[in-house]
Amino acid sequence: EAGVAQSPRYKIIEKRQSVAFWCNPISGHATLYWYQQILGQGPKLLIQFQNNGVVDDSQLPKDRFSAERLKGVDSTLKIQPAKLEDSAVYLCASSLEVGWESIYEQYFGPGTRLTVT
Amino acid sequence: AQSVTQLDSQVPVFEEAPVELRCNYSSSVSVYLFWYVQYPNQGLQLLLKYLSGSTLVKGINGFEAEFNKSQTSFHLRKPSVHISDTAEYFCAVGVYSSASKIIFGSGTRLSIRP
Repeated sequence: EAGVAQSPRYKIIEKRQSVAFWCNPISGHATLYWYQQILGQGPKLLIQFQNNGVVDDSQLPKDRFSAERLKGVDSTLKIQPAKLEDSAVYLCASSLEVGWESIYEQYFGPGTRLTVT
Repeated sequence: AQSVTQLDSQVPVFEEAPVELRCNYSSSVSVYLFWYVQYPNQGLQLLLKYLSGSTLVKGINGFEAEFNKSQTSFHLRKPSVHISDTAEYFCAVGVYSSASKIIFGSGTRLSIRP
């Protein structure tokens, strides 16, 4: 079974530029998550999709961040314009959540390391 | 609100020595607890989880954790570590409102000395 795919793996941009990250979850996983992991901290949930609908985006800075999951499969996270404090690893995860045992069981991609200069 | 606190940001141990990584949680409702591991330049991987039942949970790679309700703790242990266990370890708590989500602690970096 293929894992969660993310691209690019690394990105360096200047502040005020825009950037987009792509995620393809595990086939059949209805729930998709985007996390921001700042160096030295745990991952922080930015947005959660159930199929192509947003379940939770309470921690997404909506003035500059946006995300979409148009066909309920892959997803794109965009930052426009970027700030220095956006430097972080952006992790995508997916989950199946069929039955009690699989609830909360998220599968993570390798992440995209963003450096804003 | 639910949260987790990882008391040690770094834990250095010698190879083949035992290790304990500490985690305390706060929750006013049912508790679902997890340990994830993040190897260098990789995504997170589930080590083990506690949803209900036995308070001693066994995970992958020889790790285990014990849920202690009275002390609100979920410490991770391994009796003998290897160089390959060098990684960042995250304790996490599950939250359910309209859907399930996980809140992560700040992480503990485990470094193994030969």
